[in-house]
Formats: sequence, C-alpha cells, structure tokens
Amino acid sequence: DVKVTQSSRYLVKRTGEKVFLECVQDMDHENMFWYRQDPGLGLRLIYFSYDVKMKEKGDIPEGYSVSREKKERFSLILESASTNQTSMYLCASSQGGRAQETQYFGPGTRLLVL
Amino acid sequence: GENVEQHPSTLSVQEGDSAVIKCTYSDSASNYFPWYKQELGKGPQLIIDIRSNVGEKKDQRIAVTLNKTAKHFSLHITETQPEDSAVYFCAASNDNFNKFYFGSGTKLNVKP
Repeated sequence: DVKVTQSSRYLVKRTGEKVFLECVQDMDHENMFWYRQDPGLGLRLIYFSYDVKMKEKGDIPEGYSVSREKKERFSLILESASTNQTSMYLCASSQGGRAQETQYFGPGTRLLVL
Repeated sequence: GENVEQHPSTLSVQEGDSAVIKCTYSDSASNYFPWYKQELGKGPQLIIDIRSNVGEKKDQRIAVTLNKTAKHFSLHITETQPEDSAVYFCAASNDNFNKFYFGSGTKLNVKP
C-alpha cells in the first residue's frame, strides 16, 4: 500500500515564526503536492513538484515556499507564519508520466497560528 | 484555469436510501475525474474514478457517471450505511503534471 506520512498531526505556532511541514512517501512517486483545506473551499493547491529540485506554483503560493531535495520528501515552508495561514495542510503524491494518476494523501497537519 | 463546482454542500439521508452528489467542470480538456472520501481526522482517500473515454463506472454500491457534453459528473451511493458518513470531494484533472482541481466538498450524513 502507498503510504504518505506527515511529520505532525497538530502544530501551534506564533505569528512571525518560520514553520516547516514535512511529507514523506514510500512509493517512489515522481509527483508530490501540498494543499490547504478550509471549510467550504475544498482543497486548494499551494505548490507541487514533479521531480527532485523541481517545483511549480499552484493556485495559492503566496506566503509559502517548498523544498524537494530527495525524491521521497517534500517540505512546505511558511517563512513568517500569519494567522490567515491557520488551516489543515495535506500532502499528496502520485506517479509521474503523462497519464492522469491517482493522488494519495497523507493524514494532514492541522496548523494553528496565534 | 479549471473551475469545479460541487453540490450539495450537505446531504442527509436515511440508512438504506441512495445519495447523489453532483459536480460540474469548466475546462473541456479535463479528462480524469476522481472522487475522494474524507473521514474525520483522516486524509482524503480515493473511492472511485472515471476517465473521459467512459460514461459510467460502478464498484459495488458506488457508481460515477460522466456527461462530457454537459461537463458534469456525479457520484451515486446506493443502500447507504452509517459508515458512508464522511465528506466527499470531486476533482477534475486536465494536464500532464497530474494537477487536480477539487470541488468544495459534500458532507454526507447517513442516519441509522
């Protein structure tokens, strides 16, 4: 079975702190994604990566950056956390290639910024 | 870009009844339509998907239909059970990087 793990289930941070969210997948997937989930808005794509050291902006990249130094690991960075970044963050991965493939999700990290 | 709309936002049914969730999409190039179920405290999990070359797909009590002309697709759950209670998301995908565009979600409550 595909497994996507996220480093924390719950995080509480203060405004202005630098926050790292880590995601690891064990299926040798090419593609990895970071979403945020807010009530009534569904899942919105922040950033994605289709290869090591490659990254592309999603629909809401402002205030975030990402890092992919190894194929299995994709990190989301909040350079200076703000209260409007309080949300559920979901990581996902999928195989590469041209065909559309299922995305597999981690359990999520619920971040509260005070 | 793609825009996916999902209705209803909440749905309450009696155990044993059927439930239908509908989504529309805007980009005619979209060619892959997955449905995810998210239980409380968990990440979304794929329950069924359909590609644009197929009009209907069924897996036990779950079915998905796709109307490419009208640009809408629907999830049908028959003989609902309390364990079907969850939030359901539809999505559409239209490019080679496997980006998904999600609907806003439907909270399904199955009353025993």
